[in-house]
Amino acid sequence: AQKVTQAQTEISVVEKEDVTLDCVYETRDTTYYLFWYKQPPSGELVFLIRRNSFDEQNEISGRYSWNFQKSTSSFNFTITASQVVDSAVYFCALNTGGTSYGKLTFGQGTILTVHP
Amino acid sequence: DTGVSQDPRHKITKRGQNVTFRCDPISEHNRLYWYRQTLGQGPEFLTYFQNEAQLEKSRLLSDRFSAERPKGSFSTLEIQRTEQGDSAMYLCASSIGLAGELHIQYFGAGTRLSVL
Repeated sequence: AQKVTQAQTEISVVEKEDVTLDCVYETRDTTYYLFWYKQPPSGELVFLIRRNSFDEQNEISGRYSWNFQKSTSSFNFTITASQVVDSAVYFCALNTGGTSYGKLTFGQGTILTVHP
Repeated sequence: DTGVSQDPRHKITKRGQNVTFRCDPISEHNRLYWYRQTLGQGPEFLTYFQNEAQLEKSRLLSDRFSAERPKGSFSTLEIQRTEQGDSAMYLCASSIGLAGELHIQYFGAGTRLSVL
C-alpha cells in the first residue's frame, strides 16, 4: 500500500522568509512519481512539480526548490522569499505508475499562511 | 487550452436525493479521474477512465456511486440516495498519455456537495 505523510499541519511565516514543507512517503514499488500541488482558497489543485524515482537530482525552479532523498523516503519542498500569494494548502502526492497510471495518493496537506 | 471544467460548482441536496456532476477534461486528454476531498483532508481517489473505459475503482466507490465517460470526452459522476456522509468536494482531473506529460494530472475547481 502507498502512504504519504505530511507531518506539518500548519505553517505560518512572514513575507520574504523561506519555508520548507516536509513530505515522507511509503511504497514498495521501485518506479514511482512524486508531486507537489497547491490548493488556494478557490479550491482548484494546481500542479507545481513532479519528480520520478529514477532521478534524485534536486532542482530549483524560480522560487521553488525540492529535495528528494530515496534513502529517507522524503520529498521536501521549499519556497524561497515567500509571498502573501503563496498562502494555500500544499499537498504532496505519490503515483506508483506501473500498469496503473491512475491513482494519486495524497498527504493530508500543509496549510501555509504568509503574513505581510 | 481551457482547463478542466466542473459543473455545478456547488450543489445542495436533501438526504435521499440523487445528484449528478459533470466534468469536462482538457481537450485531447485521454485520461480522466475523480477524487473526493473532505474538510481538512487530502483528495482520495475514486475512479479513473482511459478514454471511455473505466479502468480502476476505489473501494470508496460504493454501489450508490456510478461514473461514466460514454464518448471518451466528458464524464459524469452520479450519487444515488445521497447520505450526509457524502458531503464533500468532488474533484475531477485529466491527463494526457504522452511520455513527457505522463502522470501529471490537472484538476478542476471541484463540485462542493452539501447533503442536508
